[in-house]
Parts: sequence; structure tokens; C-alpha cells
Amino acid sequence: KNQVEQSPQSLIILEGKNCTLQCNYTVSPFSNLRWYKQDTGRGPVSLTIMTFSENTKSNGRYTATLDADTKQSSLHITASQLSDSASYICVVTPHSNYQLIWGAGTKLIIKP
Amino acid sequence: GAGVSQSPSNKVTEKGKDVELRCDPISGHTALYWYRQRLGQGLEFLIYFQGNSAPDKSGLPSDRFSAERTGESVSTLTIQRTQQEDSAVYLCASRQEGGVGELFFGEGSRLTVL
Repeated sequence: KNQVEQSPQSLIILEGKNCTLQCNYTVSPFSNLRWYKQDTGRGPVSLTIMTFSENTKSNGRYTATLDADTKQSSLHITASQLSDSASYICVVTPHSNYQLIWGAGTKLIIKP
Repeated sequence: GAGVSQSPSNKVTEKGKDVELRCDPISGHTALYWYRQRLGQGLEFLIYFQGNSAPDKSGLPSDRFSAERTGESVSTLTIQRTQQEDSAVYLCASRQEGGVGELFFGEGSRLTVL
């Protein structure tokens, strides 16, 4: 069964600190892996998209990594800001399939 | 328009009433998705439209739910005889056909069934 598991479920860190969110998936083969940010009460916004052949992608202070052998991805946030408080969702697209397999998300809270 | 537009942004209705939610995708985007998101939970796939192909309705939770889209234009999601468990945010997303095209979301329609 295609699944995407994220950890931790929630995380609280102090402003300015770094953090890393994890995503494990069983989708195989897959086309691409995406990370989304969802602010409370808003629609998700794309942060990064990686194909199966890519192993890292950056977007400002956000860096996503992908290990297709171990089926793991991580999202690293550097020098966190209060505005980073949101849910971060990992999404995997199976190969040749329009369906997206969504993780449940990690709720990140940045405290001043 | 510049982004995916959804309306209404908020809808409060009484149990048993019908509701219609609207999604206006980004111009030129052939693919359109509807998702449901209950409070504090992840996105739940409802339906997928791709151009003039038959939609994938496999995520619709019951026959009270239906959706339509004509070509590459506006889509409507209709919920008949609403129940309290239908209370959620209904999100619409669109993208260009195929590949690793980015998925753009609207801000959602928050439905509350009393």
C-alpha cells in the first residue's frame, strides 16, 4: 500500500534555531516528491519539488533532501522565523499517475 | 485570474440542506483536484478532472457528493443533504497537464454544518 509517513507530528523550536522534518514513503516507483507549507486557514503552498533522480533542492532557507534508496526525505529549515509556524506536508506522486499521496504533516511552532 | 479562486470562503448551513462550492482554476490549467481537510487532519482526495477525460471520482465519500467541470473551466462541488460530518475545509487545486507541474491551491471553502 502506498503510504507517506511524517515525523515528528509536531515540533516547537525557538526563533533562530534550525530544524529538520522527516518523511518516509513506501510509494514505488515514484515520479516526484514535494514539500508543501500550509499556514493555518490557508491552502498549501509548494516549497520544493524533486524528481526521483534529484537528491537535494533548496528554496531560500528551506532545503529538501531525497534518498530514493532508503525512501526517505527531509526538509531542513535554517534560522527559523516566526512566520515559519505552519504545517509542513510531504507529498509523493506515483510514477505515471496523477494521484498524489499526502502525508499527515508536521505542525511546526516557532516561539520567540 | 492570477490564482485559484474558491467561493464561498465560508458557508454555514443547516443539516439536510444542499450546498454548492465553486472553484475557478488558473487559466490554462487542465488538471483540477478537489480535497477535503477536516480540522487538524491531512488532505483527503475527493475527485480529479483532466481536460475532457472522464473524472476520477474514487475519493467521493458518498453519493451525496458530486462534482462537475466543463472542459478546462470552473468546477462545482455539490453536497446534498449535508451532515455534520461534512464540516471541513474543501480545497481546490489546479495544475498544467502532466510531469512535475506545480499544484496551485485556492484558499478553500470552510463548510460548517449545524
